[in-house]
Amino acid sequence: DAKTTQPNSMESNEEEPVHLPCNHSTISGTDYIHWYRQLPSQGPEYVIHGLTSNVNNRMASLAIAEDRKSSTLILHRATLRDAAVYYCILRPTSGTYKYIFGTGTRLKVLA
Amino acid sequence: DTAVSQTPKYLVTQMGNDKSIKCEQNLGHDTMYWYKQDSKKFLKIMFSYNNKELIINETVPNRFSPKSPDKAHLNLHINSLELGDSAVYFCASSPTHSGAYEQYFGPGTRLTVT
Repeated sequence: DAKTTQPNSMESNEEEPVHLPCNHSTISGTDYIHWYRQLPSQGPEYVIHGLTSNVNNRMASLAIAEDRKSSTLILHRATLRDAAVYYCILRPTSGTYKYIFGTGTRLKVLA
Repeated sequence: DTAVSQTPKYLVTQMGNDKSIKCEQNLGHDTMYWYKQDSKKFLKIMFSYNNKELIINETVPNRFSPKSPDKAHLNLHINSLELGDSAVYFCASSPTHSGAYEQYFGPGTRLTVT
């Protein structure tokens, strides 16, 4: 099953952009790249997902490498409310659905 | 309007007891999931149902039995509770089981077995 690798933690200053990397070198052609975040004592929250092209939504942007072996979640202006654990996972369009959440990246936002 | 709701939010019980956690989604989704998050914060999928049919059954003790009475509900029953079952259990749903769609998670049920 495809796995992802993320840094354990990152820090950012408030109102600055944040780039959260994710490596997924064993990704298959039908795997979507999903990002979720988990605020303290809450359930995971969907952030963004994509297959091949870069994606933008009101929360963030997702930049996907051309070979799809890595991706970057971009928060354009970090706020204190963005402090959370960010998970990058792969979800296939078909076949076995073993969603593996890694350890994620704990983002700390400094005021 | 809560999209994915779980009851109870907290559950404290003794070893050997049987307990259930309920999950409901009002999003009209076909697929529902149960995840377990342990003390080390690893989030692992346990089960998934698509249109009331079991499609994922990870390596979970058979003391855990999911039940889906309809598409909007996925309950988790746990028999003979053990200390190691203490964790936060999250329910989630998605439009279909395809990775083309996002998942929506409930607020979690914190289970403590003493």
